[in-house]
Amino acid sequence: KAGVTQTPRYLIKTRGQQVTLSCSPISGHRSVSWYQQTPGQGLQFLFEYFSETQRNKGNFPGRFSGRQFSNSRSEMNVSTLELGDSALYLCASGDSQETQYFGPGTRLLVL
Amino acid sequence: QKEVEQNSGPLSVPEGAIASLNCTYSDRGSQSFFWYRQYSGKSPELIMFIYSNGDKEDGRFTAQLNKASQYVSLLIRDSQPSDSATYLCAVIRPGGYNKLIFGAGTRLAVHP
Repeated sequence: KAGVTQTPRYLIKTRGQQVTLSCSPISGHRSVSWYQQTPGQGLQFLFEYFSETQRNKGNFPGRFSGRQFSNSRSEMNVSTLELGDSALYLCASGDSQETQYFGPGTRLLVL
Repeated sequence: QKEVEQNSGPLSVPEGAIASLNCTYSDRGSQSFFWYRQYSGKSPELIMFIYSNGDKEDGRFTAQLNKASQYVSLLIRDSQPSDSATYLCAVIRPGGYNKLIFGAGTRLAVHP
C-alpha cells in the first residue's frame, strides 16, 4: 500500500495570507489527524477527522480548520497567518489507535 | 505539569550498549502508550505500542509499562549508530480516539 502523502511539501507565505494543506491517507484508513510540530512546543494535536466528521480537536485558535472528504482525503486551512504558524504540519492516517502512520509533512514558513 | 514528560537528552551511548529511554505521564486513566522514532528532518515513525503492564518485546526493542508509577520506558539493545534519533513517547487518554499526546522527545546519540 502507498503511504500517507502530503502536499505541498514546502510552502512560503507572508503574514495575513491563508494556506491550505492536503493529506491523502493510506487506502482504507478513515481517520486522519493533523499535528503541528515546532522546536518550542513539540508535536501538538490539531484535530482528527473520521468518516468526514471532526471527532476531536486540540487547543488551537479558530484560524485553524479542517475538513475531510468522502474519499478520506483531508485538508487543513490556516487563515490570517502569523509568524508563529511557521512549523512542520504532519498528518497521520490510521484505522485504529495502534496503526497511525505519519506522512512526510508540509513545512510552512511564514514571513 | 506537562501531560507527558521525557528527558530531552541527549542520551549518549556507545555502539552495542543498551539505551534506556524513559517517559512519565500525568493522566492515570491513560490506557494506550506509544513510542515513535523521528530522524532529523523526517516524520515520526511508530516503533511500538503497549497497553498492558509489563514488558513487550519486538526485535531489539522492549517497551515497559508500569501504570501504578505512570511510567513507560523503551529499551534498545545492541544500539547502533542508525538508532541515533529523537524518540517520542505518546499516550492516548480514554475517549481520546486517535489523539496522540506527545512528550518533547529524547535525543539519542549512539557513537561508534
